[in-house]
Order: sequence, then structure tokens, then C-alpha cells
Amino acid sequence: GAGVSQTPSNKVTEKGKYVELRCDPISGHTALYWYRQSLGQGPEFLIYFQGTGAADDSGLPNDRFFAVRPEGSVSTLKIQRTERGDSAVYLCASSPGAGLNGETQYFGPGTRLLVL
Amino acid sequence: AQTVTQSQPEMSVQEAETVTLSCTYDTSENNYYLFWYKQPPSRQMILVIRQEAYKQQNATENRFSVNFQKAAKSFSLKISDSQLGDTAMYFCAFRLTGANSKLTFGKGITLSVRP
Repeated sequence: GAGVSQTPSNKVTEKGKYVELRCDPISGHTALYWYRQSLGQGPEFLIYFQGTGAADDSGLPNDRFFAVRPEGSVSTLKIQRTERGDSAVYLCASSPGAGLNGETQYFGPGTRLLVL
Repeated sequence: AQTVTQSQPEMSVQEAETVTLSCTYDTSENNYYLFWYKQPPSRQMILVIRQEAYKQQNATENRFSVNFQKAAKSFSLKISDSQLGDTAMYFCAFRLTGANSKLTFGKGITLSVRP
């Protein structure tokens, strides 16, 4: 596609449930990032993939959060035993990873997660 | 660690006028990039402008320009001829050069353009 896409657009779940959020990066982009944006705040880094591997997962808040990118394209963010504090917009971004515009990250529209 | 500070929570400007959004940052590194992103109510984070720290010349993109003061660690965004479509949240962001460089964002500023 032309841009980064994320599904679902909105997700409502109950406390304790498991959720998966999907990100489809721009074709050919090797770098993929997940961020979390709480209400009224700027996005905060969660995890970064270069290809298939997680190069930096230092932003994941705890072991309930996990992300994969098995084929180096689509990525899934997985949250186990959701808590109300997990409610936020989850943003995905991708970048070419090299070249003149390699440093610019292009964002998807985000998934708004609400944990009841 | 890097930090980005946007101290103005809200600003308002009359259509067709000029407005400046402030941003300061803190880092001990010498090579980095700075960005301004726009986030309308649709949530889509849109790149407005970027600045490479090694460049002394301020970046410009049509009605948008920056005032980059490296020594002062200041990176303000000027929007000329403001349009109603400029109404959005604006985030200042920082990243180091090289691989594995996450973006660090400020808290953002809500800009309202009045007709």
C-alpha cells in the first residue's frame, strides 16, 4: 500500500483479555517501530525492529507486552492480561532504514485500545 | 538520555497570520535529527519538516520553516499564512543518527486557527 496501515482502528476489550494489534509497513521499509500514545501526551517508544529481529525492546513496559515481525514485513503487537492502564493509541511507524530519507519515520493511523 | 520539552500547551492564531511554536531539547550527542510532526484529530502523525543537526541552514517547506539554534538546543516551528487546515496537535521530536534510533517526542502543543 501507499502508507503504513494498522488494524483494527479501534479495539475494546475487557480487563484480563489478550489482544493483538497489527501493523503493515510501507513496502520495502526495513525498520519498524511501535509507540504508545496516552491521552494528551506525545508518543512513547515501545520497540524497534530491523528486519525480523527486535533490535531494541527497551520501551516495552513489562512482560505482558510482546511483538513479532516473522517475515520482516507485517508486525503484531501482543498484549496479555490487559489492564485498564493499557488503554491508549498504539502507533506504528516504518522507515527505509538507509539512504537520504532513511531517518524519517512514517506513521500509521494508530489503533485506539480501550480496556474496560 | 534525550529529552524534548514543549512548554506551551495551547496556541491560537488568526487565519492568514504567522505563529511560532517553541521546542527545546537536551542531549549530549552532536549528530542527530529534529522533526516536527502534525497530528490532526484523525490521529495520523504527519511529518511537517525535518532538520539535520549538522546543517546550519534552517529547513523550510512551503509555509513551514524552523529556527534551529544548536548551541541553545532550540528548535522552533514557524507557520506562515496560517490556514484552517493547520489546526492540529504539533509534536517536536528528536532522534540520534544511525540505526536503532527511536524518536523521542515532546508533549505536544494544540494549535487552533481561527477563521
